Amino acid sequence: GDSVTQMEGPVTLSEEAFLTINCTYTATGYPSLFWYVQYPGEGLQLLLKATKADDKGSNKGFEATYRKETTSFHLEKGSVQVSDSAVYFCALRNYGGSQGNLIFGKGTKLSVKP
Amino acid sequence: GAVVSQHPSRVICKSGTSVKIECRSLDFQATTMFWYRQFPKQSLMLMATSNEGSKATYEQGVEKDKFLINHASLTLSTLTVTSAHPEDSSFYICSAPLGAGRYNEQFFGPGTRLTVL
Repeated sequence: GDSVTQMEGPVTLSEEAFLTINCTYTATGYPSLFWYVQYPGEGLQLLLKATKADDKGSNKGFEATYRKETTSFHLEKGSVQVSDSAVYFCALRNYGGSQGNLIFGKGTKLSVKP
Repeated sequence: GAVVSQHPSRVICKSGTSVKIECRSLDFQATTMFWYRQFPKQSLMLMATSNEGSKATYEQGVEKDKFLINHASLTLSTLTVTSAHPEDSSFYICSAPLGAGRYNEQFFGPGTRLTVL
């Protein structure tokens, strides 16, 4: 079945460091890909998405490119801030499989130190 | 943006008791809501889809008699864990899509931590 694998955390970075959180997926067809962020005490929020190959999603300085050849959707940010400390979830939605439900990775906790 | 709340945020109960978790869409109506469960260091797993005015749809392997779902209004869905046991201890999260389409962007509640002693 469809699945998402993302790098295990926690990830600890200093402020202004470069961030990469790896995400790969397994799915039939052409899924849409998402990154969600969960700040402490809050619900998951959609951070960015991409719906087809080579699309780049971006928001709040974060970006991720849908790479079908490597089945990846890695999250990157050039300069992280303390306020980026949160748990990040990679997810896919496959309308042709998994009944269109969101399939999540396990989440990666990011801590940014001042 | 759309806001979804959950109550309680955490609950501790004795084995054999039942626990009710509420999910509310605060500023929009939701004919569909989703219930997820997340075990430590695991993914969010969809348990069931709650449908206003009709029966919930459960994912394979989820006991519908154990996890009772009631979608009584367009802003409220409840999940009742009946005869809870320690293995039911988990983080329960609800979400609701904005608008009529179930594939519309989902807005998530902050989750409920259930601990069964």
